[in-house]
Amino acid sequence: QVQLVESGGGVIQPGGSLRLSCAASGFSFNIFDMHWVRQAPGKGLEWVAAIWFDGNNKYYADSVKGRFTISRDNSKNTLYLQMNSLRAEDTAVYYCAKDRTGGQNSYQNYWGQGTLVTVSS
Amino acid sequence: DIQMTQSPSSLSASVGDRVTITCRASQGISNYLAWYQQKPGKAPKLLIYAASTLQSGVPSRFSGSGAGTDFTLTISSLQPEDVATYYCQKYNSAPLTFGGGTKVEIK
Repeated sequence: QVQLVESGGGVIQPGGSLRLSCAASGFSFNIFDMHWVRQAPGKGLEWVAAIWFDGNNKYYADSVKGRFTISRDNSKNTLYLQMNSLRAEDTAVYYCAKDRTGGQNSYQNYWGQGTLVTVSS
Repeated sequence: DIQMTQSPSSLSASVGDRVTITCRASQGISNYLAWYQQKPGKAPKLLIYAASTLQSGVPSRFSGSGAGTDFTLTISSLQPEDVATYYCQKYNSAPLTFGGGTKVEIK
């Protein structure tokens, strides 16, 4: 069965950096696009970034463009989110999610359980 | 960018009631619309895609309709296990924006 396990969350000071990882199993990771979606405490879902199956196309929300970088290592079945210049408003649970297809951004049919990032001094 | 607006933001209904949630896109998105259910403390779960196609394993009391700019999620007979927040998402192109969510409670 599909499993997505996020890690790397924690408490970080404003202006700091953090890298999230998402270990995928139970499906052919290298043929599916992947996403990061976040949820601030008590708030709704916010799509953050997407990467195509081959890593050649990446898309970002305006709120993180230029600060966050999505990447993947298909040899390790792992998705990453490098987060730089972190702000208090980046505090959220970050979910890794699998796209239903590859090569065109689409809906997300499987989600991980999330990892909490807290940006605070 | 296209904005997604859901209404109402919350509702309270009795078990067995028919519940309707609406989602409006600021521009036409054809049928590139998905609905998700999120229970407290849990990850979102896909309910419907392509505006009206039920994801495998989702109870048939859930249904979706609409195209273009106006979409609807209907629960035909509300059950206690349907207490959750429901989100729409457009996926015709990036950014894949979510609606603000609708919290459904039992009266």
